[in-house]
Amino acid sequence: GQQLNQSPQSMFIQEGEDVSMNCTSSSIFNTWLWYKQDPGEGPVLLIALYKAGELTSNGRLTAQFGITRKDSFLNISASIPSDVGIYFCAGQLDYGQNFVFGPGTRLSVLP
Amino acid sequence: DAGVTQSPTHLIKTRGQQVTLRCSPKSGHDTVSWYQQALGQGPQFIFQYYEEEERQRGNFPDRFSGHQFPNYSSELNVNALLLGDSALYLCASSRWEAHSGNTIYFGEGSWLTVV
Repeated sequence: GQQLNQSPQSMFIQEGEDVSMNCTSSSIFNTWLWYKQDPGEGPVLLIALYKAGELTSNGRLTAQFGITRKDSFLNISASIPSDVGIYFCAGQLDYGQNFVFGPGTRLSVLP
Repeated sequence: DAGVTQSPTHLIKTRGQQVTLRCSPKSGHDTVSWYQQALGQGPQFIFQYYEEEERQRGNFPDRFSGHQFPNYSSELNVNALLLGDSALYLCASSRWEAHSGNTIYFGEGSWLTVV
C-alpha cells in the first residue's frame, strides 16, 4: 500500500525555537492534512492543503504543499510547551479516496 | 456544533469475543471512516461508509465489519478478537467530496484492550 515518510522521527527543542518537519511520498497526492495528537486523545486537524505550492498558516503554524505534490512541510515558530505531541501528516491520492497517514514526528519542548 | 463523538472510550475484551464501537459524525457530515492506531504508529485505514454503504476498504480481514445508519452514525464491529486487535480505534467524519479535496475530523477514539 501507499506509504508516507515523516522526518525527523522525533525532536527535542528549546522553548522559543522554530521547528521544521516534513512528509514525503513516492506517490502524487492531491490533498495534504496535518494533525497534532496528544497522549490518549484523537488527532486534531491543524492545517489542510489542497493545491500544489499552497502555503497556509494557522497562528504560529505554517504548512506548504510541495510543488512536486509528493511532499509537504510543517513549520512551527517560537515553540511553547503546549506544542509537545505527535504530529502526523496525511495524504489523499485522489478525490473521495481515503487518507494515508505517516508514522508521525514526536516533538518535545524543553523549558 | 457537536464534533465527532465515539463510544465507549475504553473497553477490555477477551480473545475470541466480539466488540461494537460507535461513532456519531460532526454535524453536516455524511461520511464516516474508521482507522486503527496501534501504539506508536500512525492511523491505518479500515473502511469508509457513505450513503449506508462501504465505499472503500483498507487491508483488514473480514472480521472487521461496519454499518452506517440513515442518520449518518456508524458502528465498527470486530469478531473473534485477537490480542493484536488491541489499539485505539478512531472514527473520522467528513462531507463526501468526489471532485475536490477532503478534510477529515477525528473523534477522541475508543481504546480497545484484548486480553
